[in-house]
This record gives sequence, structure tokens and C-alpha cells, in this order.
Amino acid sequence: AQTVTQSQPEMSVQEAETVTLSCTYDTSESDYYLFWYKQPPSRQMILVIRQEAYKQQNATENRFSVNFQKAAKSFSLKISDSQLGDAAMYFCAYRSGGALGGTYKYIFGTGTRLKVLA
Amino acid sequence: IAGITQAPTSQILAAGRRMTLRCTQDMRHNAMYWYRQDLGLGLRLIHYSNTAGTTGKGEVPDGYSVSRANTDDFPLTLASAVPSQTSVYFCASSAGHGADTQYFGPGTRLTVL
Repeated sequence: AQTVTQSQPEMSVQEAETVTLSCTYDTSESDYYLFWYKQPPSRQMILVIRQEAYKQQNATENRFSVNFQKAAKSFSLKISDSQLGDAAMYFCAYRSGGALGGTYKYIFGTGTRLKVLA
Repeated sequence: IAGITQAPTSQILAAGRRMTLRCTQDMRHNAMYWYRQDLGLGLRLIHYSNTAGTTGKGEVPDGYSVSRANTDDFPLTLASAVPSQTSVYFCASSAGHGADTQYFGPGTRLTVL
């Protein structure tokens, strides 16, 4: 079975600095997708970035980028020029490439709470 | 604006009572999901539905039931609530094919006393 591990329960970063959130996963599959979701105090789950396992190029969305190391099964999120609005819980998620039993099941990590210091 | 709505936003419920959490999406997504979020445990899948008329059990289905009578609605029912079901509940949907990505509703905070 697949697992997702976020080993950092909490991280802090100074405003305008860069921070990296870690995520590792375990799978025997070769085709899958990885996601980072952000959950601010409003509770809404917001998709930050997505990475297809078959793509070697790391995904980037404005100030957010990932470091995808397929062999190491590592998927870290880098936030550049951190802003106060980045303060949130961040969840890493895994999804199989093919629908398992007819559905795409997502596996979530336990989350990392990011604090941004002014 | 297209998206997912959930109702109620929050609810306090006496143990033993029946409760239905509502979820509606207008994106014509095939797949829908119910998760519960508990501190330190992340999101755990309760039930899912691949398409209208079908449902399946997730990681923590006991004490919950769902139905999927149409594409848009996916209600979650607690037949007889217990305090351990105190949690934040999220409904999500996804296209169910291709580059599938889940989108979430705003959540329902449920407290069972």
C-alpha cells in the first residue's frame, strides 16, 4: 500500500525568505501524481501544485516549486519570497496513475504547519 | 462560480442523533469523496463514489453511509452519532479520468457531545 510521510509537523520562515517543506512517499507504482494542498485558517483546501511522475521537469507555479526526486521518492515544496498569506497547513498527497478499483484514491500526509514571521 | 458547497458550515449534535451532511458540486465531476480531518492524522477517506449510482468504502467507513442518486449530490449520513465522530468533514470531487485532480468544499465542523 502507498504511504505519504510529512516529517515536519511545523516550520517557520521569515517573510521574504525561502522555505522548503518535505514529503516522502512509498509506492511500487511507476505511474502516479503528486500534489501539494494548502489549508489556510479559513479551512478551505486549495491546490497549490501538481507533479506527474512521468515528467522529469519539476513543476512550478509562481513562487511555488517542487523538487521531485523519483528514485528517492521525495517531493518537497519550495516557497520563495514567503508572504504572510502563505501561513497555512500544507498537505502532500499521492494519487495512483490508474484508477484503482474504478476510482482515483488519494493518500494524504499528516500536514506541515507553516508560520510566516513578519 | 463553479465549485463545491457543503452544509451546514458547523453543527453541534447530541450523541445518538442522526445527521446528514450535504455536498453539492456543479462541475459535472464523476467522482466524489468524503474525508474527515483530525489533528495529527491528516485527511482520511470515509466513502467515495466513482459515478452516480455507485459508492465505495474508504479507510474509515464505520458509522457512516452515503448515497449518490445523481451527479451533483453526495450526502454523508451519520445514523447514530458518537463523540469519536467529532471532526471536520470535507467533501471533494474530481473528474474521475485523465489528469484527475481533487477539488474540495469548505468543510463542515461537527461536534458530537
